[in-house]
Amino acid sequence: GNSVTQMEGPVTLSEEAFLTINCTYTATGYPSLFWYVQYPGEGLQLLLKATKADDKGSNKGFEATYRKETTSFHLEKGSVQVSDSAVYFCALSDGGAQKLVFGQGTRLTINP
Amino acid sequence: DGGITQSPKYLFRKEGQNVTLSCEQNLNHDAMYWYRQDPGQGLRLIYYSQIVNDFQKGDIAEGYSVSREKKESFPLTVTSAQKNPTAFYLCASRKRGNPQETQYFGPGTRLLVL
Repeated sequence: GNSVTQMEGPVTLSEEAFLTINCTYTATGYPSLFWYVQYPGEGLQLLLKATKADDKGSNKGFEATYRKETTSFHLEKGSVQVSDSAVYFCALSDGGAQKLVFGQGTRLTINP
Repeated sequence: DGGITQSPKYLFRKEGQNVTLSCEQNLNHDAMYWYRQDPGQGLRLIYYSQIVNDFQKGDIAEGYSVSREKKESFPLTVTSAQKNPTAFYLCASRKRGNPQETQYFGPGTRLLVL
């Protein structure tokens, strides 16, 4: 079946550092790929998405590129802020019903 | 404001008791989903519904039940058969018709067992 594997956390960085959170997937067909962010005690918010190979999703300084050849969708940001501290989930959509399959999440903490 | 509301924010269940979690959306979305989140884990799909009066089991449906009598509402019942119900429950909805449409999530309900 389809699956998503994310970089193990937690990840702790200093403010203005470069961020990469790795995400690889296994899927039949050509799923859409997503990054969601969860702040403490809240639901998930869509951060960015890509719907086909070589698409780049971007939002709030975050970027991720859909790489079919390496089945990856790594999240990057050039200069993180304390407000970026959250849990980040990589996900793919599965089938016509667009059920989401999630990675286990990566907790990111940014220190001032 | 359009969005998804879940209530209550916290819910306590006694042993052997059924409890119902509410999910309402005013986004005119056709499809609705329930996910369960355990600490340090990703979300797992419990049930989903693509149209009114129809729903399908997800990956972990045992011990749960749902109904979809109205487009706006998709309540989840955690039955006494669910032996480990303590978790964070998230409802989501999505517009159908375009595979690129995104799922939007509610704020969640945290269920605790007394």
